[in-house]
Amino acid sequence: KAGVTQTPRYLIKTRGQQVTLSCSPISGHRSVSWYQQTPGQGLQFLFEYFSETQRNKGNFPGRFSGRQFSNSRSEMNVSTLELGDSALYLCASSLINGVLNTEAFFGQGTRLTVV
Amino acid sequence: QKEVEQNSGPLSVPEGAIASLNCTYSDRGSQSFFWYRQYSGKSPELIMFIYSNGDKEDGRFTAQLNKASQYVSLLIRDSQPSDSATYLCAVEGSQGNLIFGKGTKLSVKP
Repeated sequence: KAGVTQTPRYLIKTRGQQVTLSCSPISGHRSVSWYQQTPGQGLQFLFEYFSETQRNKGNFPGRFSGRQFSNSRSEMNVSTLELGDSALYLCASSLINGVLNTEAFFGQGTRLTVV
Repeated sequence: QKEVEQNSGPLSVPEGAIASLNCTYSDRGSQSFFWYRQYSGKSPELIMFIYSNGDKEDGRFTAQLNKASQYVSLLIRDSQPSDSATYLCAVEGSQGNLIFGKGTKLSVKP
C-alpha cells in the first residue's frame, strides 16, 4: 500500500513569489492535514481538509491556503513568500477525522527555502 | 492556548538501558495521544497511540497515560543506537488536529 506522497521534495523560491505544494494521501484516506515544521517552533498545524472542505485551520496568515480535490489529493499554496516561510512542510493523511482513533501518517515533506 | 510540553533534551542513555520520555498537556478534555519518532532529515513516523489510562505495550515500547495528571510517557526498553531520534508527543485537539510538543532528542550511546 503506497504511503503519503508529497511533491516536490525540495523547492527554492525568491521572496515575494508564490508556491504550490502537493500531497497525495494513502488510498482510502479522506482527511489531509498540513503542518509547518521549523527548528524554533516545531510542528505547527496549518489546516485540515476532509471531503474537499476545510474543516480546521491553524493560526497562520491568509497567505497560506489550500484545497482538496475529489480524489482526496490536496494542494497547499503560499503567496507572497517571506524569508520566515522557509520550513519543512508536512502533509498527513488520516482515515477518520475529528473522532478518536485518528492516526495520522506523514509524507516525506517538502523542504521550502525562501531566499 | 492548548499546549503540549516536552523536555527538549538531549536525553542520553547507554545501549540496553530504558529510555523514559515524558509529555504533559494542558487540555483536560484531550482523549487521544500519540508518540512519533523523527530521524534527522526525515518525516515523523507514528510509533504508538493510547486512549485509555494505564499502560500500552508494543514490543520494546510502552506508552503510559495518566489523564488525572495530564501526563503521557513513552518507555523504550533495551534501547538501541537505532533508537536515537527526536520523539514527538502529540495530542488530538478538539477539532481533530494534532497538537505537537517540540520533541525530545534521544541519544543512545553504544
